[in-house]
Amino acid sequence: QKEVEQDPGPLSVPEGAIVSLNCTYSNSAFQYFMWYRQYSRKGPELLMYTYSSGNKEDGRFTAQVDKSSKYISLFIRDSQPSDSATYLCAMWGGSYIPTFGRGTSLIVHP
Amino acid sequence: KAGVTQTPRYLIKTRGQQVTLSCSPISGHRSVSWYQQTPGQGLQFLFEYFSETQRNKGNFPGRFSGRQFSNSRSEMNVSTLELGDSALYLCASSLAGGQGSNEQFFGPGTRLTVL
Repeated sequence: QKEVEQDPGPLSVPEGAIVSLNCTYSNSAFQYFMWYRQYSRKGPELLMYTYSSGNKEDGRFTAQVDKSSKYISLFIRDSQPSDSATYLCAMWGGSYIPTFGRGTSLIVHP
Repeated sequence: KAGVTQTPRYLIKTRGQQVTLSCSPISGHRSVSWYQQTPGQGLQFLFEYFSETQRNKGNFPGRFSGRQFSNSRSEMNVSTLELGDSALYLCASSLAGGQGSNEQFFGPGTRLTVL
């Protein structure tokens, strides 16, 4: 079992839909959780950064961490075609060795 | 403010050769991390440098090495290239790095193809 599991998709949704992206993990030492967006032929861009459990909102994006279930989510409201990209979750704790999910490919069609 | 730059952007090498990749962090950032990204394994941490010292290392063989200069610029080297080393190599910089670190800014990556 990989430390971080993330469905690769692709996830295809119509413009305006609410998107839910998820990762599960097995290492209970993880305390810092991040979501990155990566466009084709570009480096990842940090979207959200949370510590421990709870919710964090930034514009159309909401990150949710449930440490008891070892489950994190990223919600995108009013999705746009420009949101089409690969979304990577990342997490670490205990030592600075970040572990990434493999990424979920999101396609938002007009 | 200029972002993280990586050179070269594309590289083609043959098995057995060695390669050196370069990364210039954002001005003022002292931590530089290197990652390998492949379709099969995703994004994997190689190592992190801070103030010219390797502070953390991922689970890669000794053929992968790096260094950081006094101006925070970093290089990574891969010796005796193998076909499986074909990947996108990403560099990320942050102010201080470390656990619960500041935001990491990624460069565009170097696409290495080993023939």
